[in-house]
Amino acid sequence: DSGVTQTPKHLITATGQRVTLRCSPRSGDLSVYWYQQSLDQGLQFLIQYYNGEERAKGNILERFSAQQFPDLHSELNLSSLELGDSALYFCASSVTGQVSTDTQYFGPGTRLTVL
Amino acid sequence: EDQVTQSPEALRLQEGESSSLNCSYTVSGLRGLFWYRQDPGKGPEFLFTLYSAGEEKEKERLKATLTKKESFLHITAPKPEDSATYLCAVRPGGYQKVTFGIGTKLQVIP
Repeated sequence: DSGVTQTPKHLITATGQRVTLRCSPRSGDLSVYWYQQSLDQGLQFLIQYYNGEERAKGNILERFSAQQFPDLHSELNLSSLELGDSALYFCASSVTGQVSTDTQYFGPGTRLTVL
Repeated sequence: EDQVTQSPEALRLQEGESSSLNCSYTVSGLRGLFWYRQDPGKGPEFLFTLYSAGEEKEKERLKATLTKKESFLHITAPKPEDSATYLCAVRPGGYQKVTFGIGTKLQVIP
């Protein structure tokens, strides 16, 4: 158990809908990262937050957005969902997100199925 | 652009048959190379971080090594419970974005 929690574990929804995925980082970690993993695809970095502020952006679609709250939990919002958005979404956290020695610890993921 | 290539894509071993997984990378100013283990439907589990060429780290039956262009994950006398996908990732200097490879799917047969 990495100490990173994600809810829900599974989410089934329809095209065009909007969903919110939630992540709580390990105790003491200030930085949160979101990744998407599609079938037979590598982990694709979406976005990073550090202490409430956006720090880095990857291949995140405009239909997707995220935020990190004062209690350091983070939410990933996915809107106007398409079939191709079906994937595993992982959250990871690290101590600072600034130091090269930081290690990212991953949560168990949320499996999103868009029908 | 940072690139990570892992080979082979899949590997099937008999229990006790040692082997190595390869991770070739292209990155601007490597600041860390990471190995993770991922079981189906689960989150990646951190194994090792390597920072400089020549560095080696060990954990049970696993040993990770690093050169200037690639990293190897050596598996000695594997057991069926070592079956998983092993992911390699790199982080360039001055930036926190980590680039992952697609992984090597390892199956260890009893």
